Amino acid sequence: GENVEQHPSTLSVQEGDSAVIKCTYSDSASNYFPWYKQELGKRPQLIIDIRSNVGEKKDQRIAVTLNKTAKHFSLHITETQPEDSAVYFCAASNNYQLIWGAGTKLIIKP
Amino acid sequence: DVKVTQSSRYLVKRTGEKVFLECVQDMDHENMFWYRQDPGLGLRLIYFSYDVKMKEKGDIPEGYSVSREKKERFSLILESASTNQTSMYLCASSSPGTGNTEAFFGQGTRLTVV
Repeated sequence: GENVEQHPSTLSVQEGDSAVIKCTYSDSASNYFPWYKQELGKRPQLIIDIRSNVGEKKDQRIAVTLNKTAKHFSLHITETQPEDSAVYFCAASNNYQLIWGAGTKLIIKP
Repeated sequence: DVKVTQSSRYLVKRTGEKVFLECVQDMDHENMFWYRQDPGLGLRLIYFSYDVKMKEKGDIPEGYSVSREKKERFSLILESASTNQTSMYLCASSSPGTGNTEAFFGQGTRLTVV
């Protein structure tokens, strides 16, 4: 079955710098890759997603890239701000169910 | 605005008790899911349902059961609570398309079994 690995488990960056979180997946049939953000004490919420027919997608300061050949996808956050502090989860789906990464705790240092 | 509501935010139960966690969604979603969230382990799927009265096991179903008698309600049952079931439980719902549509989560229930 599908397996999703997410790295790093914790990422600390200076406010204003960029942050990159990477995920790899095992099932080449996976075709949907969402990213969720979970702020402390709150529920996970979708922030961006990408489908397998697209290589990159941007939404203001966040972007996701997908490399189908290498079976990995990444979340990029530019000009990080304090409100970006949260746990970020990647997931992969082959139309059946979402398989989740273990999460990355992003810390924004002032 | 989609709402997924879990019946309790915090719950403390004794070992051996039967525990019910309730989840209700108001968006007429066919798909509903129960996850368990533990530090460093991400979101692990316990059970899911694609229709009323339908259920399928996820990755960690042992010690749990579910009930979906109505489309909007999905209940997680711990038959005999144990201390290793102390965790955060998250319910989610999504519209048809199974895995490739947005999942909306409830606020979570932090269960402590003593």
